[in-house]
Amino acid sequence: SQQGEEDPQALSIQEGENATMNCSYKTSINNLQWYRQNSGRGLVHLILIRSNEREKHSGRLRVTLDTSKKSSSLLITASRAADTASYFCATLVYAPGNTPLVFGKGTRLSVIA
Amino acid sequence: GAVVSQHPSRVICKSGTSVKIECRSLDFQATTMFWYRQFPKQSLMLMATSNEGSKATYEQGVEKDKFLINHASLTLSTLTVTSAHPEDSSFYICSARDGRGSSYEQYFGPGTRLTVT
Repeated sequence: SQQGEEDPQALSIQEGENATMNCSYKTSINNLQWYRQNSGRGLVHLILIRSNEREKHSGRLRVTLDTSKKSSSLLITASRAADTASYFCATLVYAPGNTPLVFGKGTRLSVIA
Repeated sequence: GAVVSQHPSRVICKSGTSVKIECRSLDFQATTMFWYRQFPKQSLMLMATSNEGSKATYEQGVEKDKFLINHASLTLSTLTVTSAHPEDSSFYICSARDGRGSSYEQYFGPGTRLTVT
């Protein structure tokens, strides 16, 4: 079953604008991760944020985590056409062992040049 | 970084035949491997979790007799789709976790696109 729900399902913006995607989940987690997937391709790991962290940055990416609301957001600043992809959040309920990452439904981002 | 490979990357088979997909961890020992399935424009859905040397644990709704998983070594897991049907056409992605240390990351393979005609 899916743990996360992304919002919006699809997002279309102009190049240079910021893109914000949200993810909500249902149970307590150990960490939350964001992935990118270009059409028909494999997953690219973007960033991992642990349950005791509130914000994390990586280049043009900024991820926040609010465990009280069971939600996370991914912000891509100064978007580029190459950022066009699907973005998924994935949660790890407890770690590590053999518990899998559970994926949300994803947000399809289109960046128009 | 850790690398997971899958073979084949694409396969087309006829309805009723079986297809085997291999997943290998190239530079680490994967104590646990996961198999996901992704239909077009949808998310990844976990099919099963396998630990080296033991039987796989399947998610609800996934037929274990249809999707045979073998995790015979710490670097190889195979998924066999038996008696494939067109509705089994999908993108199959394996993932591996290094059970040593404190890494929480799962490393994903590039996926295998299965088309059943």
